[in-house]
Amino acid sequence: QKEVEQNSGPLSVPEGAIASLNCTYSDRGSQSFFWYRQYSGKSPELIMSIYSNGDKEDGRFTAQLNKASQYVSLLIRDSQPSDSATYLCAVNSLYNFNKFYFGSGTKLNVKP
Amino acid sequence: SQTIHQWPATLVQPVGSPLSLECTVEGTSNPNLYWYRQAAGRGLQLLFYSIGIDQISSEVPQNLSASRPQDRQFILSSKKLLLSDSGFYLCAWSPGHSYEQYFGPGTRLTVT
Repeated sequence: QKEVEQNSGPLSVPEGAIASLNCTYSDRGSQSFFWYRQYSGKSPELIMSIYSNGDKEDGRFTAQLNKASQYVSLLIRDSQPSDSATYLCAVNSLYNFNKFYFGSGTKLNVKP
Repeated sequence: SQTIHQWPATLVQPVGSPLSLECTVEGTSNPNLYWYRQAAGRGLQLLFYSIGIDQISSEVPQNLSASRPQDRQFILSSKKLLLSDSGFYLCAWSPGHSYEQYFGPGTRLTVT
């Protein structure tokens, strides 16, 4: 079992819709969770961090964390074509807080 | 503000040649530093991380090595490159364990 799992996609949504990206993780004691956006050929860019159960909103982005279900999600409201990218979920290691596990990413396509 | 630099941006090297990639961080002190590799269309593979000068942990046994000669400098090296070393090499820094990681622009390495 991989430490962090994401659906590879592609996930296609029309412009203006809500995109929902999901991630599950295996280390129950993980404390820190992050979403990164990676455009083709570029390095990952941090979008959101979340540390506590519940929702965290930042502009059009909302991160949701459910530690009991070992599940973290990212919602993108009013999706724009510029949101088309691969979204990576990252979780810190229960056994080594200096170490992070990354999912393989979900490719999002926002159609105009 | 903090800035992370990587060079070179692209590199084409023959099999069996040596490698040296450099990463420097500005605007912070005693950062955690990381080297990742991303193969085409794949997720991030953690290669090395460092929590201080001369404190380096290797995650994947291979023909690569890392050094941290100064607090904000991280170097990835190889004595003899393999075809399988091709990929997108990313350096990242973090203010401490469990905190978010910030990535440099990356080095795209092609081994021929």
